[in-house]
Amino acid sequence: QSVLTQPPSVSGAPGQRVTISCTGSSSNIGAGYDVHWYQQLPGTAPKLLIYGNSNRPSGVPDRFSGSKSGTSASLAITGLQAEDEADYYCQSYDSSLKGVFGGGTKLTVL
Amino acid sequence: QLQLQESGPGLVKPSETLSLTCTVSGGSISSSSYYWGWIRQPPGKGLEWIGSIYYSGSTYYNPSLKSRVTISVDTSKNQFSLKLSSVTAADTAVYYCARGCGQQWLIDNWFDPWGQGTLVTVSS
Repeated sequence: QSVLTQPPSVSGAPGQRVTISCTGSSSNIGAGYDVHWYQQLPGTAPKLLIYGNSNRPSGVPDRFSGSKSGTSASLAITGLQAEDEADYYCQSYDSSLKGVFGGGTKLTVL
Repeated sequence: QLQLQESGPGLVKPSETLSLTCTVSGGSISSSSYYWGWIRQPPGKGLEWIGSIYYSGSTYYNPSLKSRVTISVDTSKNQFSLKLSSVTAADTAVYYCARGCGQQWLIDNWFDPWGQGTLVTVSS
């Protein structure tokens, strides 16, 4: 059971917009700590997608965006493409547990 | 371009100690701007933070693993290492090393880049 809760799966058709939620508590996201997002393509290592709630590293398309409010954060992907099919993980800091990840969300492009 | 590469045995017997090394290339592990971490992923499951280390040797560990984990750094070799003692089948996972980024040590850190990962199987 992960400290940060993500939906196990989401899906969308090419061109559509999908969002992935990451729900925490008052000891992590709700305490004001940043949320970061990673994309893990099949058989590969995770890759940083969003850092500091809403910042994109160089090279990440602006189709990917992040936001945070209260005890939750969200990753939005617009203009869905087949290559976006992957697992997505959120990560934050917890005052007791230190580094914590969400359980991951599998995105299927229909 | 910074690169990280994990190395170590792919098979460890139950009750023994898992030992992995991460070699950093394309940058210095002694940079005061970064931290270094280990993360693992059991087959078919999610990511779990194991612990992080600063070049000075300061460490933070996942409380659930703290009694069994030791992370160390060798700045002369530009490497950092993970030791996990008394392993069981539950420790079977792909182990990743990664660079930690952020202004504060541990708090609000993110990981970028990651090594390719190495599968460690615990079995007799």
